[in-house]
Amino acid sequence: GAVVSQHPSWVICKSGTSVKIECRSLDFQATTMFWYRQFPKQSLMLMATSNEGSKATYEQGVEKDKFLINHASLTLSTLTVTSAHPEDSSFYICSASRGGPGTDTQYFGPGTRLTVL
Amino acid sequence: RKEVEQDPGPFNVPEGATVAFNCTYSNSASQSFFWYRQDCRKEPKLLMSVYSSGNEDGRFTAQLNRASQYISLLIRDSKLSDSATYLCVVNAGGGADGLTFGKGTHLIIQP
Repeated sequence: GAVVSQHPSWVICKSGTSVKIECRSLDFQATTMFWYRQFPKQSLMLMATSNEGSKATYEQGVEKDKFLINHASLTLSTLTVTSAHPEDSSFYICSASRGGPGTDTQYFGPGTRLTVL
Repeated sequence: RKEVEQDPGPFNVPEGATVAFNCTYSNSASQSFFWYRQDCRKEPKLLMSVYSSGNEDGRFTAQLNRASQYISLLIRDSKLSDSATYLCVVNAGGGADGLTFGKGTHLIIQP
């Protein structure tokens, strides 16, 4: 149980285009979903936390107008990288949690590798 | 001081050896601790949670030292398949908060 899928697995796009990444919890309801980013040889960095039905909470330094997060249901969260630029090229990983005290286990999706030309 | 610090390695270890590495964290209010494993170009996968009393899972043993704010991972009888990057992960909150990852320790098991 606790499977999280992410689509697409990888995407190559031109500078200036927008890219949407989907994160789905397949066999459980995810009260909270997280979006991380990992640059080569760097640690995963939390970008934002999203709770179903409410606005996402962004970490310091992450532009909320550039990285649009929508958590419309208990099984789906999307991250849209708007007007992508080469510096946005990275490995984007989502995770999902059932939420609540004592349930902080996060289940990670397989990640999306974004390359912006 | 970084929130979660690890020696990046790489640690080159012969197959069958025992290897251990530590991780230090700066937030004394941290409540949950984990070791994750990440293979090249893959997502991190939970290896084990780290409890105050320490815990063991097969060849893997994790320990927590709250006074000194570090956690450790020991791998016995290492296998070639243990080659990976091991991430020290800390959750400062009590519930579903974002995790803080260390940069990872790269382990290479040599035949």
